[in-house]
Amino acid sequence: SQTIHQWPATLVQPVGSPLSLECTVEGTSNPNLYWYRQAAGRGLQLLFYSVGIGQISSEVPQNLSASRPQDRQFILSSKKLLLSDSGFYLCAWKFALQGLNTEAFFGQGTRLTVV
Amino acid sequence: QKEVEQNSGPLSVPEGAIASLNCTYSDRGSQSFFWYRQYSGKSPELIMSIYSNGDKEDGRFTAQLNKASQYVSLLIRDSQPSDSATYLCAVNVMDSSYKLIFGSGTRLLVRP
Repeated sequence: SQTIHQWPATLVQPVGSPLSLECTVEGTSNPNLYWYRQAAGRGLQLLFYSVGIGQISSEVPQNLSASRPQDRQFILSSKKLLLSDSGFYLCAWKFALQGLNTEAFFGQGTRLTVV
Repeated sequence: QKEVEQNSGPLSVPEGAIASLNCTYSDRGSQSFFWYRQYSGKSPELIMSIYSNGDKEDGRFTAQLNKASQYVSLLIRDSQPSDSATYLCAVNVMDSSYKLIFGSGTRLLVRP
């Protein structure tokens, strides 16, 4: 079976500090990978998605970046955090089956507070 | 900009009643639709998927899809206090990336 791991669960960082959140998927190959952010009381905003190693697409302009150094590893980074970067960050994966529309499975999320 | 719209609620229903949650979407090419449940502070979990027009039932949950009206709904029968959560509607966008776009969610409160 497939599992997704996301860490850390909570993080408190000062403004201007760097960020690195990591997500790994087990039990499948070549998944589509996603980073979402959820502000307090809001819906999920798609930040980045990746359909393969080194292939990153950005959905919204921001001071965040993403990388996919390995097939099942997805990293969200920032060089300098802003207060507005606070939120609940969720990594997700989907089967990459061309022509099929499959559901996404989520990690446990990282609660980021920028102070 | 492809969008998914939901009423934010809260939708308050008494225990044992039917809860009806609604969602509209803008991308006419979308072919698959999902309902996720999210408890406070937790990540979303999939509860229903639907691909064809009509109804799909799974236990106390029924998803309804009308592609002509670009409308999808979720009915929860015999609502329980444990159903109190935010329900997120999600739609696959039909481009090469197969992105999953979410609505902002409807908060459901089931009163004992």
